[in-house]
Amino acid sequence: NAGVMQNPRHLVRRRGQEARLRCSPMKGHSHVYWYRQLPEEGLKFMVYLQKENIIDESGMPKERFSAEFPKEGPSILRIQQVVRGDSAAYFCASQPQRRTDTQYFGPGTRLTVL
Amino acid sequence: QKEVEQNSGPLSVPEGAIASLNCTYSDRGSQSFFWYRQYSGKSPELIMFIYSNGDKEDGRFTAQLNKASQYVSLLIRDSQPSDSATYLCAVAMNTGFQKLVFGTGTRLLVSP
Repeated sequence: NAGVMQNPRHLVRRRGQEARLRCSPMKGHSHVYWYRQLPEEGLKFMVYLQKENIIDESGMPKERFSAEFPKEGPSILRIQQVVRGDSAAYFCASQPQRRTDTQYFGPGTRLTVL
Repeated sequence: QKEVEQNSGPLSVPEGAIASLNCTYSDRGSQSFFWYRQYSGKSPELIMFIYSNGDKEDGRFTAQLNKASQYVSLLIRDSQPSDSATYLCAVAMNTGFQKLVFGTGTRLLVSP
């Protein structure tokens, strides 16, 4: 059973460009979470999605950030007009159903903004 | 006050010793508690979860939960150099889904 997949693993963008991060959950998992880990900080919840629905985006910055999880294909976290402060590791985690105990983390995408 | 607090360390222990990692949380409604291990440059890996007061053992790891004191700990027996990593405490808040709130982690160094 393949694990959670994220791509790209490393992404370099210049200020003002768009960053698009992809997350493919484990087979059979329909719940996806995105977390951000800034240097020397803990992971911070960003958004929780089910297929075609955003359930909770209370951790997302109000501007420039968006997320989707379409019926077909991976979940995508999009950051428009990136700034240096967006440089971080972005992890997604998938879960088979609500209220279960385990979130399985992907390897992360490390975004560097020049 | 941070929602989940951990001492950043590093916590240094010799090989074979018991490492004790501690975590406090602020929300009394918290339901589930998790310990993740994260090696440098890698993703978090779940070690244990606990949601009842008391101890839960899994191999060399024991998680301890005291809801009255809002305190959760992880004991690692017979510590190995390969246990050297950052240990993240995470709490699932009472929101109906498993939104995890993480501490900043404690760095553990096990010397041979």
